[in-house]
Amino acid sequence: EVQLVESGGGLVQPGGSLRLSCTTSGFIFNGHWMFWVRQGPGKGLVWVSRINSDGSETRYADSVKGRFTISRDNAKNTLYLQMNSLTAADTAVYYCARGGPYSNNPWDYWGQGTLVTVSS
Amino acid sequence: DFQMTQSPSSLSASVGDRVTITCRASQDISNYLAWFQQKPGRAPKLLIYAASTLQGGVPSRFRGSGSGTDFSLTISSLQPEDFASYYCQQYNGYPPTFGQGTKVEVK
Repeated sequence: EVQLVESGGGLVQPGGSLRLSCTTSGFIFNGHWMFWVRQGPGKGLVWVSRINSDGSETRYADSVKGRFTISRDNAKNTLYLQMNSLTAADTAVYYCARGGPYSNNPWDYWGQGTLVTVSS
Repeated sequence: DFQMTQSPSSLSASVGDRVTITCRASQDISNYLAWFQQKPGRAPKLLIYAASTLQGGVPSRFRGSGSGTDFSLTISSLQPEDFASYYCQQYNGYPPTFGQGTKVEVK
């Protein structure tokens, strides 16, 4: 059974940092592109970042470029999102999602999400 | 950027109704279009990909159609478990983008 489980969310002060993890199981992790998506309170879905299967290619939404870093550890079947210089606008539920072997494959499995709240 | 314009933003319907949601892309996306269902407090669930291919386990009352810039999701006979929000997404152009969502509510 494919599973994605996010962790690492919580309450952080403006300007602070958090590292999210997405622990996966049930599939060959190093064969899939992976994505982070966020959803602000009462808002829609917004893509945040993506990484290819071996971690050599990463891209970011303009709103997080230079502050967030996506990475993966294929030996641990885990995806990460390092978030720095956080602001209230980053408050959201963060989801990891599984793509396919190519960047233009659909995103077929999602984790349950982890809530990040940026507030003083 | 590829903008996705989804409509309506909300609709009220009854069990058994036929419901259609539309999504328009700002540029030709071929058939790289997915539809997701999301219930409150839950992760999005993939319903349809490649504009019209039903994801495994999704009931056949869900149907996707379209290509290029105009797409639609139709629920042929709305069931109680279908009251939720629905999002379209293009996943070929960069950045990947979602529609604003459609909330399907009980009439």
